[in-house]
Amino acid sequence: NAGVTQTPKFRVLKTGQSMTLLCAQDMNHEYMYWYRQDPGMGLRLIHYSVGEGTTAKGEVPDGYNVSRLKKQNFLLGLESAAPSQTSVYFCASKHREETQYFGPGTRLLVL
Amino acid sequence: GDSVTQMEGPVTLSEEAFLTINCTYTATGYPSLFWYVQYPGEGLQLLLKATKADDKGSNKGFEATYRKETTSFHLEKGSVQVSDSAVYFCALSANSGGSNYKLTFGKGTLLTVNP
Repeated sequence: NAGVTQTPKFRVLKTGQSMTLLCAQDMNHEYMYWYRQDPGMGLRLIHYSVGEGTTAKGEVPDGYNVSRLKKQNFLLGLESAAPSQTSVYFCASKHREETQYFGPGTRLLVL
Repeated sequence: GDSVTQMEGPVTLSEEAFLTINCTYTATGYPSLFWYVQYPGEGLQLLLKATKADDKGSNKGFEATYRKETTSFHLEKGSVQVSDSAVYFCALSANSGGSNYKLTFGKGTLLTVNP
């Protein structure tokens, strides 16, 4: 049981490039979330999903897209990366009324 | 909207000192309250939680009591260790109306414990 895994662990992009961050969970959780963590800002919710095939916007969704084609995977896409998207990205998952479990994070640097 | 305010750090203590990290919240309905801990270079781990008023969450010597009257959930530990050095996040989850159960986080408090 690997829990929540994230790929890649670290990535450097140039402004305007695109990339996809992958989150996978093997706990059969319905809910999945993408957060970004910036110094002095805590964690802010980007997008979330309450089930396969559904997604919704969080607090800071601009510049990101997501997809939940399979229950166990939640993809976060950056179509045209900007330096303001330099951050650490965390994925989390949970059952309906239980605790969120977090992945180890993806560190993204946009030059 | 929902919000969490926690004391700003950094907090630096000597080993065996008493720790308090203040957390207050604003929320509609009856939220659940959480403390998460993030060790250097790692993701967040649940430290403790409380789901209703007057509940006390506890784990690894840490405690926090859900105080509805003061909308607070302060984290305490009687004797900190060097290994407790980490960033601590207070968070709440709205439970009302079958919503998405998303977490709202405070900004985090960096704790450094010196030997």
